[in-house]
Amino acid sequence: DAMVIQNPRYQVTQFGKPVTLSCSQTLNHNVMYWYQQKSSQAPKLLFHYYDKDFNNEADTPDNFQSRRPNTSFCFLDIRSPGLGDAAMYLCATSVQGNQPQHFGDGTRLSIL
Amino acid sequence: SQELEQSPQSLIVQEGKNLTINCTSSKTLYGLYWYKQKYGEGLIFLMMLQKGGEEKSHEKITAKLDEKKQQSSLHITASQPSHAGIYLCGADRYSGGSNYKLTFGKGTLLTVNP
Repeated sequence: DAMVIQNPRYQVTQFGKPVTLSCSQTLNHNVMYWYQQKSSQAPKLLFHYYDKDFNNEADTPDNFQSRRPNTSFCFLDIRSPGLGDAAMYLCATSVQGNQPQHFGDGTRLSIL
Repeated sequence: SQELEQSPQSLIVQEGKNLTINCTSSKTLYGLYWYKQKYGEGLIFLMMLQKGGEEKSHEKITAKLDEKKQQSSLHITASQPSHAGIYLCGADRYSGGSNYKLTFGKGTLLTVNP
């Protein structure tokens, strides 16, 4: 049974057109993370929520925002996608910060 | 920041052979994780190590954290095609309050030939 679900698996958008990626979890975990992973690179943390507390990485572009309306859902909004934002976006959850993270299958974002 | 070096970057083995992947940190490791990733998919959690000298096994995969807690190894016994994928080590980095972050090594691409 999928525990961290990302939708859609594949997303195509146009240059500059806003896009939202979604993540839901059935684990009731406190922490939710968003990562960006480009080809042949390690996942790069964009931001995370500890419960309702939002934590942004210093080098995350302003173009990227996140919302967590409740424990189960977290969204990644890209306001004006550029060609360099094409990547796999991974959502993960954990009970607390220093515990194993459980990942979804990712959303592969393409920019036309 | 915590630097994690993985070696080798890629590895091709014949089915049935044993193999080892290493992960070396420039700083003491307080939580070390091993993940597996298949192309185009998410990361699958394999094991977590916290104590110096700790060793954990799951099926044919064994992970160890050395006594000084600066190096970990992942050993696969009698490899199978199902073991193929990218293996990533990750380390906890404390960032204040209740916040920890995972930093990852660049991964080791494992190919297992039948």
